[in-house]
Amino acid sequence: QVQLVESGGGVVQPGGSLRLSCAASGFIFSNYGMHWVRQAPGKGLEWVAFIRSHGSNKYYAGSVRGRFTISRDNSENTLYMQMNSLRAEDTAVYYCAKDVSGVTVGYFEYWGQGTLVTVSS
Amino acid sequence: SYELTQPSSVSVSPGQTTSITCSGDKLGDKYACWYQQRPGQSPVVVIYQDNKRPSGIPERFSGSNSGNTATLTISGTQAMDEADYYCQAWDSSTANVIFGGGTKLTVL
Repeated sequence: QVQLVESGGGVVQPGGSLRLSCAASGFIFSNYGMHWVRQAPGKGLEWVAFIRSHGSNKYYAGSVRGRFTISRDNSENTLYMQMNSLRAEDTAVYYCAKDVSGVTVGYFEYWGQGTLVTVSS
Repeated sequence: SYELTQPSSVSVSPGQTTSITCSGDKLGDKYACWYQQRPGQSPVVVIYQDNKRPSGIPERFSGSNSGNTATLTISGTQAMDEADYYCQAWDSSTANVIFGGGTKLTVL
């Protein structure tokens, strides 16, 4: 069965950095696009970033472009999100999600359980 | 930037049919999908490509998308359907995934 397990969340000061990881299993990781989606406490879902199956294309939400970098290691079946210059408004649960497609953006077929990032002094 | 608008809340009695709408400019020209999120849980897709149900999703969930509005319909609503529902589409002009603001469905 498909499993997505996020890690790396925690408390960080404004302006700090954090690296999230998402360990994938139960499917051929290198065949599928992957996303990060976040949800601030008590708020709705916000898409953050997408990376194609072989990492050739990456798309970002305007709110994180230039500060966050999505990447993947297909040999390790792992998705990453490097988050720099963190702000209070980045506080959220961060989910990794598997796309149904490897090339285009389809829909979020599976989701992890999420990891909480808190940006606070 | 492209936006999707949903009602913030909808109420329904058990066994009744309810609909949740999602509005966006020419949304019917895009594929819409819907996610259910129960409290404390990760979202789950209930409708994709406007009207398709993933395996394991009950037949009482259906979807449509035309013009500027996508609609999620739940027939014979059950207490277990009480959750937040989000519509989602892909905006190719900005290469962004767009979510609606979410609708809290209450089964009274």
